[in-house]
This record gives sequence, structure tokens and C-alpha cells, in this order.
Amino acid sequence: DVKVTQSSRYLVKRTGEKVFLECVQDMDHENMFWYRQDPGLGLRLIYFSYDVKMKEKGDIPEGYSVSREKKERFSLILESASTNQTSMYLCASRTGQGVIGYTFGSGTRLTVV
Amino acid sequence: GENVEQHPSTLSVQEGDSAVIKCTYSDSASNYFPWYKQELGKRPQLIIDIRSNVGEKKDQRIAVTLNKTAKHFSLHITETQPEDSAVYFCAASIPGDSWGKLQFGAGTQVVVTP
Repeated sequence: DVKVTQSSRYLVKRTGEKVFLECVQDMDHENMFWYRQDPGLGLRLIYFSYDVKMKEKGDIPEGYSVSREKKERFSLILESASTNQTSMYLCASRTGQGVIGYTFGSGTRLTVV
Repeated sequence: GENVEQHPSTLSVQEGDSAVIKCTYSDSASNYFPWYKQELGKRPQLIIDIRSNVGEKKDQRIAVTLNKTAKHFSLHITETQPEDSAVYFCAASIPGDSWGKLQFGAGTQVVVTP
């Protein structure tokens, strides 16, 4: 019963390419997040969205942008991919109500060559 | 802002022994502390969480304790089994944040050897 779906498990892109990572959730959650996961650094927040068309920067937004045109979909965009953006990218969502944890997607491992 | 430190970074235990992972947080106003387990190649999954009005919570072989005075919380796994091998992340809510953001620790790689 997958509830947060990331469109690609593995991606290989060239330096300078524009890259789109897609995330879709079917739980009608208001809040959606993009994290990158690197060994020894844990999960670092790139961007998040609390409503359609609303977005806020996280801790490491440089080199990324996001789009949320529909409630269920949150896209991460690498405007011009660089090798230091090689990483595991995790999408997560949560309801806007109360204090609860996230539901994560399975992740996209992006390699920029 | 909130800072979460997690120790140890790796933990090897014999099957049947206990494992303890400790996290410290910097902002005393944090009020929610979840733990996630990420098996190899899989998504992080919430395994247990605790709120600041509770000192301890148990769920079968796992438990979490919270010491608000010392600003640390710990995950305890008893009678470890090979399927407990995974990366475990702790997290803390960010005070004043309305959107449910979490600050994560760096993770602990747990290896349970038979």
C-alpha cells in the first residue's frame, strides 16, 4: 500500500542538465518535503510546501527549486545539475493537523556525471 | 535553530543483546521526537515516537525514553534480531514551526550479527 510515490528509483544525469524529481502522495496531505540523504549527514531539508503553490526554503535550497501545482504532487527541480548534487533524494508528506511524523517515499538515487 | 546530534554512528551487536542509540537536542521547546528505521534500499519508516509530556514509551521490543532536563532521548531495542539491522534516525520538532518540520540526526547504522 504505497502512499508516497517517487517516480524514479535511479537517475543518471549529465552536468548542466535540468532535472525533475517527482513525488506524489495519495493521502490528501497538506505538507510535503524534499530531503537529501548523504552518509554521515543524515537528512537535510531542501524545500517544503504547506499548500498548493506555497513553498518555503529549507536548510540547503541552493541549486534547487520546487513546484506544487496540485496538492498531491511536489516536484524538485535541479536547474543545472552538478556533481555535488549526486545524492539520495527523499520526499515526505504529513497532514497539516497535529503533531505527527512523516510518510516517506522510497527515494530517488541521483547520480550526476 | 534546532540541532540534533546522534550517537553512535555505527553499532554492532550480537543477536539477542540490547542496542541503545542516543540523541541530544539543543532547543528545550522541542516537543515531538520520532524515530525512523531505514532498511537497506527501503524508505525510512516511523517506528516509534514520543511527545514531551511523556517520559517513556514502549512498543514490544523497542522503547524510547526522554529526559527533558538533559535534552536527550534514546531508542532501546531489546532481544535484537537480524531484521533489526538498519539505519536508525532520530528527529526533533522545530519549536515555533507551524509546518511540522523535523530536524534529523545523522543516523546510526545498526548491524545485528547472528
